[in-house]
Amino acid sequence: QSALTQPRSVSGSPGQSVAISCTGTSSDVGGYNYLSWYQHHPGKAPKLIIYDVTKRPSGVPDRFSGSKSGNTASLTISGLQADDEADYYCCSYAGIYTHVVFGGGTKLTVL
Amino acid sequence: QVQLQQSGPGLVTPSQTLSLTCAISGDSVSSNNIAWSWIRQSPSRGLEWLGRTYYRSKWYNDYAESVKSRITINADTSRNQLSLQLNSVTPEDTAVYYCVRYSGWYNFDYWGQGALVTVSS
Repeated sequence: QSALTQPRSVSGSPGQSVAISCTGTSSDVGGYNYLSWYQHHPGKAPKLIIYDVTKRPSGVPDRFSGSKSGNTASLTISGLQADDEADYYCCSYAGIYTHVVFGGGTKLTVL
Repeated sequence: QVQLQQSGPGLVTPSQTLSLTCAISGDSVSSNNIAWSWIRQSPSRGLEWLGRTYYRSKWYNDYAESVKSRITINADTSRNQLSLQLNSVTPEDTAVYYCVRYSGWYNFDYWGQGALVTVSS
């Protein structure tokens, strides 16, 4: 049972936008602006695509964006491409004792 | 470019010790502004952070409460590598284990290729 709640799956057609939510509590998502998102193609290493809620690492297209409101964070992917089909995980700092918690993952299908 | 190359046995007998190593290239295990973690992924537990080690004039370690009594993460500066030892394993420890670098506040920016470890007799 993952600490952060994500939808199991989302889907969209090429060119469309999709949003993936990540819901936690005031002890993690709502308490800190240290929320990251990872893209995971099965069989490959996960890739950091968003950190500190809204920031993109170098090389990540601006089609990927992050936001947060209260205890819920969101990842939005615009202009969907076939290669965006992957699993997406959120991750939040959760204080000095728990350190970090993950979401259960969302499978994105590009129709 | 940072690269993390993991190695270790893929099958461990229950009650024995799981041992993995992670060879680091493109960075130093004792860099002052990053840290190194082990993360595992299983169908039942999802992604689970296991612990970290980092160097700030001396070495520090933190471990997840769920494995704190059984885990050791070490850095070998002479070989520039990271190691994980998990004692007294059970089938619940079956997972893909990742060696991961992170910067800032748990921004896991470089991941190893992952190693499937099965705990079974």
